Amino acid sequence: EPEVTQTPSHQVTQMGQEVILRCVPISNHLYFYWYRQILGQKVEFLVSFYNNEISEKSEIFDDQFSVERPDGSNFTLKIRSTKLEDSAMYFCASSEQAGHYEQYFGPGTRLTVT
Amino acid sequence: QKEVEQNSGPLSVPEGAIASLNCTYSDRGSQSFFWYRQYSGKSPELIMFIYSNGDKEDGRFTAQLNKASQYVSLLIRDSQPSDSATYLCAATNNDMRFGAGTRLTVKP
Repeated sequence: EPEVTQTPSHQVTQMGQEVILRCVPISNHLYFYWYRQILGQKVEFLVSFYNNEISEKSEIFDDQFSVERPDGSNFTLKIRSTKLEDSAMYFCASSEQAGHYEQYFGPGTRLTVT
Repeated sequence: QKEVEQNSGPLSVPEGAIASLNCTYSDRGSQSFFWYRQYSGKSPELIMFIYSNGDKEDGRFTAQLNKASQYVSLLIRDSQPSDSATYLCAATNNDMRFGAGTRLTVKP
């Protein structure tokens, strides 16, 4: 069964460094998403991406964050100048279409900023 | 503010019983509603979704939606210990908003 994959599973970085989290969405899906979940808190929407453009972004997704689809399979989240409070699980998800379509989540990348 | 509210629990039911999980949402523009299951340290796993008023059944799971009351529920019949997890309700209107989740424990 097709699934969303994410690498790395765990990333440790120092405060102020840049990190890139990678995702491979399900191959026939057209919409891609990033979410984060701080330990013990709810899953929070960051951004949705379609047709090489950001469709929606939350108030969390500020200039520190960017997304890119560098090739036909990968979808990346870049976090510049990381802060301690960026430590969280970051989940990528994909769906065939927007709206009444299921979003399937990847296993997540645990980001630890020290 | 577009909020999705759930009782945090924990909700404890005996094996074989029906577990009832509830969710309310504030954004009347929400179009679709999803139930995810999340085991500790794992990613959300889709159980089912609903976008029309009424009931939708899938195996042991039934989702119910009442848009007038802005209320979504999930019933789990014949609960099993393996159903013990946190259940996340989510609503979409361009973005997807999650509730904080209800922790369910099914006791053998």
